[in-house]
Amino acid sequence: EVQLVESGGGLVQPGGSLRLSCATSGFTFITYWMTWVRQAPGKGLEWVANIKQDGSEKYYVDSVKGRFTISRDNAKNSFFLQMTSLRAEDTAVYYCARAVRGGSVFDYWGQGTLVTVSS
Amino acid sequence: DIQMTQSPSSLSASVGDRVTITCRASQSISNYLNWYQQKPGKAPKLLIYVASALESGVPSRFSGSGSGTDFTLTISSLQPEDFATYYCQRSYGTPLTFGGGTKVEIK
Repeated sequence: EVQLVESGGGLVQPGGSLRLSCATSGFTFITYWMTWVRQAPGKGLEWVANIKQDGSEKYYVDSVKGRFTISRDNAKNSFFLQMTSLRAEDTAVYYCARAVRGGSVFDYWGQGTLVTVSS
Repeated sequence: DIQMTQSPSSLSASVGDRVTITCRASQSISNYLNWYQQKPGKAPKLLIYVASALESGVPSRFSGSGSGTDFTLTISSLQPEDFATYYCQRSYGTPLTFGGGTKVEIK
């Protein structure tokens, strides 16, 4: 059974940092693109970043470029989102997901972890 | 960036109704369009990819069509478990933009 489990969310002050983790199981992790998608409270979905199988390609939405970094550890079947210079508008539930068809179709999702940026 | 616009933003329907949701891209995206269903407090679920391919395990009452800039998601006979919010998503190039969502509510 494919499983993705996020961790690392919480309350952080504006300007602070947080690292999200996504632990995966039930599939051959090294053969898949992986992605992060977020959803602000009461709002729609926003793609944040994705990473190729070997980590050689990474893409970000403009609003997080230079502040967020996606990475992966294929030995541990996990990937991460390092978030710095956090802003109130980064407050959201962050979902990790497996991506197929060149990293652009999200077929399995985690349950989400809430990040709240507030003083 | 390519913008994805869904309509309507919400609709009310009854069990058994045929429901159609529209997604329009600001420029052609060929058939690179996916549809997801999200229920309150839950993660999204993939329904349709490349405009019309049904994801494994998704009921056949869901169907997708379209290419270029105009796409539709159709539920042929709405069931109680289908009341949810539906999102389209562009799936070629970045950013991998989602539409604003369509909330399907019980009439």
